[in-house]
Amino acid sequence: SQQGEEDPQALSIQEGENATMNCSYKTSINNLQWYRQNSGRGLVHLILIRSNEREKHSGRLRVTLDTSKKSSSLLITASRAADTASYFCATVRTNAGKSTFGDGTTLTVKP
Amino acid sequence: NAGVTQTPKFRVLKTGQSMTLLCAQDMNHEYMYWYRQDPGMGLRLIHYSVGEGTTAKGEVPDGYNVSRLKKQNFLLGLESAAPSQTSVYFCASSRTGTLNQPQHFGDGTRLSIL
Repeated sequence: SQQGEEDPQALSIQEGENATMNCSYKTSINNLQWYRQNSGRGLVHLILIRSNEREKHSGRLRVTLDTSKKSSSLLITASRAADTASYFCATVRTNAGKSTFGDGTTLTVKP
Repeated sequence: NAGVTQTPKFRVLKTGQSMTLLCAQDMNHEYMYWYRQDPGMGLRLIHYSVGEGTTAKGEVPDGYNVSRLKKQNFLLGLESAAPSQTSVYFCASSRTGTLNQPQHFGDGTRLSIL
């Protein structure tokens, strides 16, 4: 099964609201990365958080990591219609050169 | 700045046909990856390469072969296409491995096998 699992599978909110999506994983990791995928396009890297970090910010994005619970969350504040996309977490195990992706959360932001 | 370019963008094959998907990156990245994405799912790693002349199996390698003869190119081959290989294929590259390095993705090749 996939190392990372996102929750919820789908999320629909109004523009201006905050969106929170979660990722759980099973084994120890070196880092966890979040990606965005717009319809019909490739994935775009958003943010990387290392296993010794607890929180990271990038613009309207806030990522937290709780290694004791093996979970991460992505918060998008003041969402916009342009944030409509699928969001994936990818976990990288210690000493691994490759990532394992979850099945994603589909976010719809209504104008 | 092109980044990662995949060709072709779309292709329809008949069962048993063969084809090669090409991925090219202009960022001088060492690592390259091939993934497949099925509807409503995340990406699954097919094969990857840690440098020119090297390849390694990923999570779902059966039915595919790869080659990395030049650092900037990573080819994915289907020798005898099967309907189960209908999917969207993504190529990605990273400067080194994904230990603290993000991956850069192409826009995908949509492959249908009839």
